[in-house]
Amino acid sequence: QVQLQESGPGLVKPSETLSLTCTVSGGSISDYYWSWIRQPPGKGLEWVAYIYSSGSTNYNPSLKSRVAMSVDTSNNQFSLNLRSVTAADTAVYYCARRHSSTWYFDHWGQGTLVTVSS
Amino acid sequence: DIQMTQSPSTLSASVGDRVTITCRASQSISSWLAWYQQKPGKAPKLLIYKASSLESGVPSRFSGSGSGTEFTLTISSPQPDDFATYYCQQYNSYPWTFGQGTKVEIK
Repeated sequence: QVQLQESGPGLVKPSETLSLTCTVSGGSISDYYWSWIRQPPGKGLEWVAYIYSSGSTNYNPSLKSRVAMSVDTSNNQFSLNLRSVTAADTAVYYCARRHSSTWYFDHWGQGTLVTVSS
Repeated sequence: DIQMTQSPSTLSASVGDRVTITCRASQSISSWLAWYQQKPGKAPKLLIYKASSLESGVPSRFSGSGSGTEFTLTISSPQPDDFATYYCQQYNSYPWTFGQGTKVEIK
């Protein structure tokens, strides 16, 4: 069974860069699409970005100017960088795997809370 | 972006009551809709995809219906473990968007 685990700092200062990594175990990262989805405290879910195992990416237009994803297939990991963060970026960040053929998410990490504060 | 609107925002029900949650899309999404269940402090869990297809391992008391712009999630006889927040998600058009959630509470 595929498992995903997020890692990274839980506290980031305003204007700095939020960096998270998702490690995939129990299966290969190859041939799948991998996403980041975030949830501000007490609020709903927002899709942030995806990357294919080949490295092709797509980002939510609302965040496109600040976000970048990368993939490390040798270590079965993918990463998120979000630049110039503000308090509005405070959220639980989930990594997730897209279903093999279409765009719903059938495997999720447990999530990691990132707080933006000085 | 396609806006997804769920109703109600909160719902109180007793164990065994029938529960229905509605999700409306701002434009037609055909049947490209998924439903998730989320419990406090946990990741969402996929329940239903393509509007009415039950994910493997999900109890048959969960069902989904609808197409176009209006969809429903029904729990035929909720059990204590089903009291949670439910989200719909459209995957017809990029960027993929979610409803704001419906919290199902025990009456």
